Parts: sequence; structure tokens; C-alpha cells
Amino acid sequence: SQQGEEDPQALSIQEGENATMNCSYKTSINNLQWYRQNSGRGLVHLILIRSNEREKHSGRLRVTLDTSKKSSSLLITASRAADTASYFCATDWFTGGGNKLTFGTGTQLKVEL
Amino acid sequence: DSGVTQTPKHLITATGQRVTLRCSPRSGDLSVYWYQQSLDQGLQFLIQYYNGEERAKGNILERFSAQQFPDLHSELNLSSLELGDSALYFCASSSRGLNTEAFFGQGTRLTVV
Repeated sequence: SQQGEEDPQALSIQEGENATMNCSYKTSINNLQWYRQNSGRGLVHLILIRSNEREKHSGRLRVTLDTSKKSSSLLITASRAADTASYFCATDWFTGGGNKLTFGTGTQLKVEL
Repeated sequence: DSGVTQTPKHLITATGQRVTLRCSPRSGDLSVYWYQQSLDQGLQFLIQYYNGEERAKGNILERFSAQQFPDLHSELNLSSLELGDSALYFCASSSRGLNTEAFFGQGTRLTVV
């Protein structure tokens, strides 16, 4: 089963609005990462937040992490049509000597003009 | 360009056949991950290698195998292919250490007919 589950599955907003996506996970983690995927293409790393951090910013992105609730959120402010993509959270966690980077189910974001 | 190269980009083959997917990680990256992305299963972690050794295993079928060579490139072998193996297969690499992002290739789209 997936380590992370994202909510909502799909989100449609107008350009200029903010978009918020949530991610819940199941086990202890080293860090949580957010990735973006344009249709059928490779994933692109957006931001990484360590397990001892609570909030992180990068440009128009703001990520929060609540390890007690095993949840994270990604906020994209002042969205643009070019932000249209699928967004995935990924949890980095140790298992038997290696680390797994396990992805959630993704949120499909559509930003309309 | 992520620096991760996957070949081939597209592959069409018949059921029962065997194929090999190749991945060249970013220069200097020791970790290689393989993922399968299909519409119904999402992005599934298959396996991770670190400097030639298998480190973590996910939902990889027994018909599938992988290895990482001394020059750090990796190959994913899929045998006795079934229609349900049709998917995008991604390779990602990351550098040594904790809390590092993964860089994804553009994927190999496998179609089993």
C-alpha cells in the first residue's frame, strides 16, 4: 500500500488563487518531499522538509509538516496556469539498511485562466 | 534536464517476452531507484540500489529483477510480460546521505500487447 495518501485527488482553481494539497502518511520518516509531474513526464523535485522541521518556504511554495499527525500540506500561492500538473508527496524512511522513497497517490491540479 | 537518462523512451512488446530497461544516474549519484507508474496503481516503488548493492525492496514482482553495475548504471529486467505490466517505468537517482532529493529520468513507456 502507498505510504502517503493525498487529498484532494483533484483540484481546479482560477489563476491567482491559492492551492492547498494535503498528504498523510503512516510510518516514521526521515523527511517528506513534494514533487511535481507534468502529464506523462518525469517527476521534478519541489521541496524537502526534514522530520525536525515544521515549515519551509520556497518561492510561492509553503510546506508544513506535523509529525504528530503524520501529515503535511503544500500551499501554492498566486497560482498560474503553468502550475497545472500532478503533485505528489513522498516519504523517505529507513527499512532494513536502505531507505525507501515512497510516493502518495497524487493531487491533480488544474489552474484555469 | 535532470541528468538521469533512461532508455528506451518507448517499448512495445508482446506478452511472454522479456525486456531490459536501462538507467544512467546523475554523475556522482550512488543511489538508484526504480518505480512503476500505472493508472490504477499510481507510482509504486520497486527497488533501490546503492553503489551496486540492493538496499530496499518494494512491490517488485518475482518476474522482475534489477541490478546496478560498477559504473553505477542500472538495468531493470522484466520477463514473462503480461498485459498488466504496461506502464511508465521511472528511474531516479540521489546522492549519498540522508535528506537528499531524488532526480527522475523521463521514463520508459512500456506497452505489452
